[in-house]
Amino acid sequence: QKEVEQDPGPLSVPEGAIVSLNCTYSNSAFQYFMWYRQYSRKGPELLMYTYSSGNKEDGRFTAQVDKSSKYISLFIRDSQPSDSATYLCAMSLQSGGSNYKLTFGKGTLLTVNP
Amino acid sequence: DSGVTQTPKHLITATGQRVTLRCSPRSGDLSVYWYQQSLDQGLQFLIQYYNGEERAKGNILERFSAQQFPDLHSELNLSSLELGDSALYFCASSVGLRVNEQFFGPGTRLTVL
Repeated sequence: QKEVEQDPGPLSVPEGAIVSLNCTYSNSAFQYFMWYRQYSRKGPELLMYTYSSGNKEDGRFTAQVDKSSKYISLFIRDSQPSDSATYLCAMSLQSGGSNYKLTFGKGTLLTVNP
Repeated sequence: DSGVTQTPKHLITATGQRVTLRCSPRSGDLSVYWYQQSLDQGLQFLIQYYNGEERAKGNILERFSAQQFPDLHSELNLSSLELGDSALYFCASSVGLRVNEQFFGPGTRLTVL
């Protein structure tokens, strides 16, 4: 079983839709959860960062972590064509130190149609 | 633009060859991380350097090596290249060691023929 599973999609939605992106993981020791956005031919950029369980909101983006289910989500409200990208979840055991490394999901390709 | 630069953008080479990828971190960043991204495996952490010293290792093959120089730029050396090494190689940098502070470069696309 892979440590982090993410549906690759592709996911296609109309402009203005609410988008839900998800990852599951197997290692219950993961503490830090991140979502990255990667445009075609670009490097990943950090969108959201959450520690342990709970929700975090930033503008149109909301990240949720459910550690009991080993499940994380990213919601995008009022989706825009400019949100079209690959979304990668990432997790870490620690924030820093020698055990900090990021484990990524394979990414979900999202297309928002005007 | 993240401020992290990588050269070259594209590299095409043959099996058995050796290549060097270069990364310049953002100004002031002491940590450099290398990642490999392929369709099969996704984004995989390879290795991290902090202020010139190796800090953490991930799924890096023995044929691959890296170093960070006194001016903080880093190089990833890939030798005895195989077809399966074809991938995007990303460098990221951060001021310290925290996972949420990594900024990624634009990547180097390596094609091994």
